[in-house]
Amino acid sequence: EVQLVESGGGLVQPGGSLRLSCAASGFTVTSNYMSWVRQAPGKGLEWVSVIYSGGSTFYADSVKGRFTISRDNSKNTLNLQMNSLRVEDTAVYYCATERPLGYWGQGTLVTVSS
Amino acid sequence: DIQMTQSPSSLSASVGDRVTITCRASQGLSNNLAWYQRKPGKVPKLLIYATSTLQSGVPSRFSGSGSGTDFTLTISSLQPEDVATYFCQKYNSAPWTFGQGTKVEIK
Repeated sequence: EVQLVESGGGLVQPGGSLRLSCAASGFTVTSNYMSWVRQAPGKGLEWVSVIYSGGSTFYADSVKGRFTISRDNSKNTLNLQMNSLRVEDTAVYYCATERPLGYWGQGTLVTVSS
Repeated sequence: DIQMTQSPSSLSASVGDRVTITCRASQGLSNNLAWYQRKPGKVPKLLIYATSTLQSGVPSRFSGSGSGTDFTLTISSLQPEDVATYFCQKYNSAPWTFGQGTKVEIK
């Protein structure tokens, strides 16, 4: 059974950094598309980033140059390094797999506030 | 980048009504268009992929159609458990942009 469990969310000041992780089970993260999607309070879904099975990475313009998606094959996890965080990055962050997004984690809340 | 415009932003219909939600892309997508259902307090759920293919376990009252730039999600007979926000998403190439969402309520 495919399971995704996010961790690493929390409160951070503007300009700070945070690293999210998504532990996968039931499949290997290198075998499929792995994505991050976020939903800000009162807003819709926003696609953030994807890493393809071959390793290619892509980002939304809103996070390009600040966020980095990666995989830890030894731990079977997906990561999202978030730097230079802004108030508008406040959201619940979900990891999801497949293309399109057939499996989702429960999400982790990131709050950027002073 | 391709923009996704979804309409309406919200709708209210009676149980048993036929409901249609549209999603328009600023450029052609081939058939790489998906629909998701987001119920309050729940994780988004994939309903339809490749424009018209129903995900396993999704009730047959849901259907998808379209091509090129115009796509449609139809609920043939609205049920109380269908109250949710629905999102389209393109996934032909990155960015995998979502539409803005359509909130469906029961009248």
